[in-house]
Amino acid sequence: GEDVEQSLFLSVREGDSSVINCTYTDSSSTYLYWYKQEPGAGLQLLTYIFSNMDMKQDQRLTVLLNKKDKHLSLRIADTQTGDSAIYFCADSDSWGKLQFGAGTQVVVTP
Amino acid sequence: NAGVTQTPKFRVLKTGQSMTLLCAQDMNHEYMYWYRQDPGMGLRLIHYSVGEGTTAKGEVPDGYNVSRLKKQNFLLGLESAAPSQTSVYFCASSYEASPTNQPQHFGDGTRLSIL
Repeated sequence: GEDVEQSLFLSVREGDSSVINCTYTDSSSTYLYWYKQEPGAGLQLLTYIFSNMDMKQDQRLTVLLNKKDKHLSLRIADTQTGDSAIYFCADSDSWGKLQFGAGTQVVVTP
Repeated sequence: NAGVTQTPKFRVLKTGQSMTLLCAQDMNHEYMYWYRQDPGMGLRLIHYSVGEGTTAKGEVPDGYNVSRLKKQNFLLGLESAAPSQTSVYFCASSYEASPTNQPQHFGDGTRLSIL
């Protein structure tokens, strides 16, 4: 099947920028998403990007999409301790079915 | 709050028992999805529905059945529970496949342990 892959762990100092990377293989993906999950909680949608866009900015979040390389990144500016969580990259098909990566654990240190 | 409600939140079963997980949404959404999340992994799609009376298989459908008799409810059944089905189950719903109108709403999850 098609895969979504992302690095497993990222450590960042408070106030710095975080960059989480993701690669996907399905060239027919219509939308790509970033979700946040805190311990014991459900998924919170952070942002999404349409597959024919290359950048989307939403407050502290910047999503970059390189469709040629099938590479997606999420940049969090001015990272705070409340940003510590697991971040999931996902793509979707025309039925809205989501395929998730394994998640990147982000740890923010003071 | 309105949204996606999953029942129950926690359950412990013995191997071979059956149970049904309920997902209810009050947003008049057409599309509903059941995912499972295992440690160290992202969510994987079990089954989904694109409207009342319709269901389709996802990536990991074996051992599960679903029904969508009413638009607002999507039921996930385990006929004979196995330890490999120990997981956290998430339900999601959306008005349409594209997120531009409204992205998928997720429930808070059901933690299921099979002994």
